Amino acid sequence: AQSVAQPEDQVNVAEGNPLTVKCTYSVSGNPYLFWYVQYPNRGLQFLLKYITGDNLVKGSYGFEAEFNKSQTSFHLKKPSALVSDSALYFCAVRDGKGGGADGLTFGKGTHLIIQP
Amino acid sequence: NAGVMQNPRHLVRRRGQEARLRCSPMKGHSHVYWYRQLPEEGLKFMVYLQKENIIDESGMPKERFSAEFPKEGPSILRIQQVVRGDSAAYFCASSPPTGAVYEQYFGPGTRLTVT
Repeated sequence: AQSVAQPEDQVNVAEGNPLTVKCTYSVSGNPYLFWYVQYPNRGLQFLLKYITGDNLVKGSYGFEAEFNKSQTSFHLKKPSALVSDSALYFCAVRDGKGGGADGLTFGKGTHLIIQP
Repeated sequence: NAGVMQNPRHLVRRRGQEARLRCSPMKGHSHVYWYRQLPEEGLKFMVYLQKENIIDESGMPKERFSAEFPKEGPSILRIQQVVRGDSAAYFCASSPPTGAVYEQYFGPGTRLTVT
């Protein structure tokens, strides 16, 4: 069975500082990894994904994530945080064994709070 | 190109009633997924459908819940005889036909409240 862990319920960062939101995963096959963001009372918006290739992937709104196979991690990063980045962030995985079309397994989410 | 549409956005049902949640995928998308989000929790996969086929329902409760994606019209998630524990946000997502690994695009959700 696959799983995702987001060890921090909340991350507080001052505006302009770099931010990191942590994610580790467990799958039996090759991992397909995703980050989504959710604003209050809204659906999830796709930020970025890792399927194969370069370990550093770039996504929307200046976010990027680094795939680390040995540590089974896929941490979300941004060099300079904005107040508007404050939201709930979800890491998700699907197992490549299934052909890539299966349902996603989500972490519990991390509240990111950017302080002015 | 309209995104994934869900209706209603909010639904209130009394215990024992039926709830019907609708999802229209993005144009060109033939894969539909349903997820449930309980307060302060992540999304839990429920079911994956293609037109007229249920591909994976491993996350669906065995009783009272059913889903369909007919040849014409939206996908429907149906909850019979609702109980308070069914109160949650239900999200639908869609993706194009496989051939590559696509991200899923989510609708705004239906917030079900059972009183």
